[in-house]
Amino acid sequence: GENVEQHPSTLSVQEGDSAVIKCTYSDSASNYFPWYKQELGKGPQLIIDIRSNVGEKKDQRIAVTLNKTAKHFSLHITETQPEDSAVYFCAASYNQGGKLIFGQGTELSVKP
Amino acid sequence: GAVVSQHPSWVICKSGTSVKIECRSLDFQATTMFWYRQFPKQSLMLMATSNEGSKATYEQGVEKDKFLINHASLTLSTLTVTSAHPEDSSFYICSAARPPGQRSSMNTEAFFGQGTRLTVV
Repeated sequence: GENVEQHPSTLSVQEGDSAVIKCTYSDSASNYFPWYKQELGKGPQLIIDIRSNVGEKKDQRIAVTLNKTAKHFSLHITETQPEDSAVYFCAASYNQGGKLIFGQGTELSVKP
Repeated sequence: GAVVSQHPSWVICKSGTSVKIECRSLDFQATTMFWYRQFPKQSLMLMATSNEGSKATYEQGVEKDKFLINHASLTLSTLTVTSAHPEDSSFYICSAARPPGQRSSMNTEAFFGQGTRLTVV
């Protein structure tokens, strides 16, 4: 089955700097890669996603890149703000009705 | 994004009792819902896939007689933790799959509820 590895587990940056989180997946059939932001005590919130037919997608300060050959994808957050502090999860899916396999999560801390 | 409502947001129960958690998709029909469990500082672990009108599919190691799942309608799935014990204390999260075609999406998308913090004392 699918396995998703996520790094780093913790990431601390200064406000205004960029943050990059990386994930690798094992199943080459996976074709959908969402990223979720989870704040303490809340459910995950979808922040951006990418399909396997696209190499890069951007939404304001957030971007995701996908390398299908290497089977890895990354989340890029530019101009970080303290409110970006949260746990971020990557996930992979083969469109199995929304069944997602999650990475281990990255705790991002943005220091003012 | 779509709205998925989970209730209750937190519950405390005595050991040996049962607790029911509801997951509703408010603005789309979800033929499939998923239930996850999350321990502190850990990732989401899929427990089971809930299909409307049929039996749930449980992941390996998840006791189906302990975690009863019912998906009686296209907008509601319930998870009942039976004979709860302190080790069942965890954060339970549901997600609902919005099928392709709804809201012009070409693929299935998953939207999560707010989660339920279960504490068994």
